[in-house]
Order: sequence, then C-alpha cells, then structure tokens
Amino acid sequence: GQQLNQSPQSMFIQEGEDVSMNCTSSSIFNTWLWYKQDPGEGPVLLIALYKAGELTSNGRLTAQFGITRKDSFLNISASIPSDVGIYFCAGQLAGSARQLTFGSGTQLTVLP
Amino acid sequence: EAGVAQSPRYKIIEKRQSVAFWCNPISGHATLYWYQQILGQGPKLLIQFQNNGVVDDSQLPKDRFSAERLKGVDSTLKIQPAKLEDSAVYLCASSFTGLSSYNEQFFGPGTRLTVL
Repeated sequence: GQQLNQSPQSMFIQEGEDVSMNCTSSSIFNTWLWYKQDPGEGPVLLIALYKAGELTSNGRLTAQFGITRKDSFLNISASIPSDVGIYFCAGQLAGSARQLTFGSGTQLTVLP
Repeated sequence: EAGVAQSPRYKIIEKRQSVAFWCNPISGHATLYWYQQILGQGPKLLIQFQNNGVVDDSQLPKDRFSAERLKGVDSTLKIQPAKLEDSAVYLCASSFTGLSSYNEQFFGPGTRLTVL
C-alpha cells in the first residue's frame, strides 16, 4: 500500500520553542491533513490542505501543502505543555473514495 | 453534539478466542470507517462503509475479520479467531457525505485489544 514517511519520529523541546515536522511520499496526494492524538483518544483534525502550495494556519499551527503534492510540513510556534501528543500526517489520493493514508506519527514532548 | 461512540474501551482475550467491537457514528454521518492502529504506527484503514454498503475492504483480513453495518447506522467489527498480532487499538470514524473533495472524519476513542 501507499506509504507516508513522517519525521522526526520523536521530539523533545523546551516550552516556548518552535517545532517543525514533515511528511513525504512517493505518491501524489490531492489532500493533506494533520491530526493530533492524545493518549486514550482518537485523532483530532488540526489542519486540512487542499491545493498544492497552500499555506494554512490554525492559531499557533501552520501547515503547507508541497508544490510537488508529495509532501507537507507542520510548524508549531511558541510551544506550550498542552501541545504534547502524537502528530500524524495523512494524505488522500485522487480517486480514493476519501480514504486516508496515515504517517507513522511524531511524538512531541514539551519540557517546562 | 455527541461524538463517535465505541465500546468496549478495553478488551483482553487469549489467542484463538473471538471478540467484537461496536461503533455508533455521529448522527447523520453516512460514511463509517474502521481502522487498526498498532502501537507506534498510524491508523490503517480496514473497511469503509457508505450507509450499509461496503466501499472498500481491501485491507481487511477476511479470513478472520468481519464487519457489518446492517441498518446503515451503527457497526460491529469481529475478529474470529484472534492472533497475537491483532493486539492494537481499533478506531471507528465517521464522516458526512457531501460534495466536497474531503469530508472530515471524526474519530471515536478506540477499543484497545490485547491478545495474550
């Protein structure tokens, strides 16, 4: 099946620092999504991207849909303790009946 | 608005036993998904329903997994018999079926299955 390569696998940062994570694929996606998953919960959508080159913000979060349609990144600015969790990218292939392929996740730890 | 409900939240069984998970999607959501999330990995789609019909079950291990959504609302996923490698969190998600290219999937809290 399709694979998304997500990096880094884990990050340890100080509160207040910015953080960046990204996803790449060998396939072209027509939608890129970023989710956050807290322990014992299902993933929650943070940002959705629909067009190549699109840059979208949601509060302290900013994500971009790569020009080649094969990659995306997520930035979190001025991290706070509640940013702790696992962040997943997900992509939707053209003509895939809205099915998503998920990356393997980035575990974020924010140190006080 | 109530979210996606799943039960049980946790289940521990021995290999070769059977287990069933239940999901009730958000009211009005025609599309329902079951995902398997193995520890340290992202969710993997097992099956997608549109109302009571199967859209895609290409990644469902049909020799042991089955799922149904008889009335187009709630759904059951069954594993019979379970193997050790089935230990995972089983997530249910639902989405409204509209005209846009992507309709947000809302996830339930999942059922954590441990097979001993």
